[in-house]
Amino acid sequence: KAGVTQTPRYLIKTRGQQVTLSCSPISGHRSVSWYQQTPGQGLQFLFEYFSETQRNKGNFPGRFSGRQFSNSRSEMNVSTLELGDSALYLCASREGQQYGYTFGSGTRLTVV
Amino acid sequence: DAKTTQPPSMDCAEGRAANLPCNHSTISGNEYVYWYRQIHSQGPQYIIHGLKNNETNEMASLIITEDRKSSTLILPHATLRDTAVYYCIVRVEGQNFVFGPGTRLSVLP
Repeated sequence: KAGVTQTPRYLIKTRGQQVTLSCSPISGHRSVSWYQQTPGQGLQFLFEYFSETQRNKGNFPGRFSGRQFSNSRSEMNVSTLELGDSALYLCASREGQQYGYTFGSGTRLTVV
Repeated sequence: DAKTTQPPSMDCAEGRAANLPCNHSTISGNEYVYWYRQIHSQGPQYIIHGLKNNETNEMASLIITEDRKSSTLILPHATLRDTAVYYCIVRVEGQNFVFGPGTRLSVLP
């Protein structure tokens, strides 16, 4: 099976712009979660989707949003980018609630 | 907040066993213990998980104390490629993972 695929791998954006990141989960995995990783805050949970519905949401402002499509692929969007949004954004998928996550390699976003 | 406490860093000689401790004194009966590791700039990699019993797979062994308040991840023969940050996470089935700062393991030649 192919792993979790995230695109793009690297991205540079300007303050105030918006960005959309994409995640393709492992085939058959219906749950997708997103995490933000920064040197100062470590790995922080953004949100989780299952069958196109948001299940859980972390403590992030409304500028961070996501969605999941019927084929389980997911996107996350960050609007009005700030310098502090520079981070590694990780997507993870799992087969069901009783399993652990498989993570992708991440998208490294730099806001200038 | 993370429910686990881990030492910030550890060293291990190549070829020796690496024993990484984790305290989770407030763990509840239905929470699993998961271990992941992250090599620089890559996504976290699943290693092993358990509930009550000790577990072993091709990567590592997980030893959970009888009272479940602590656990140890054992890499039996550490190699240079095992240098990474190791995260211990407790989680109720269905909930998201809460990562702490982890333990930075350095395997030395």
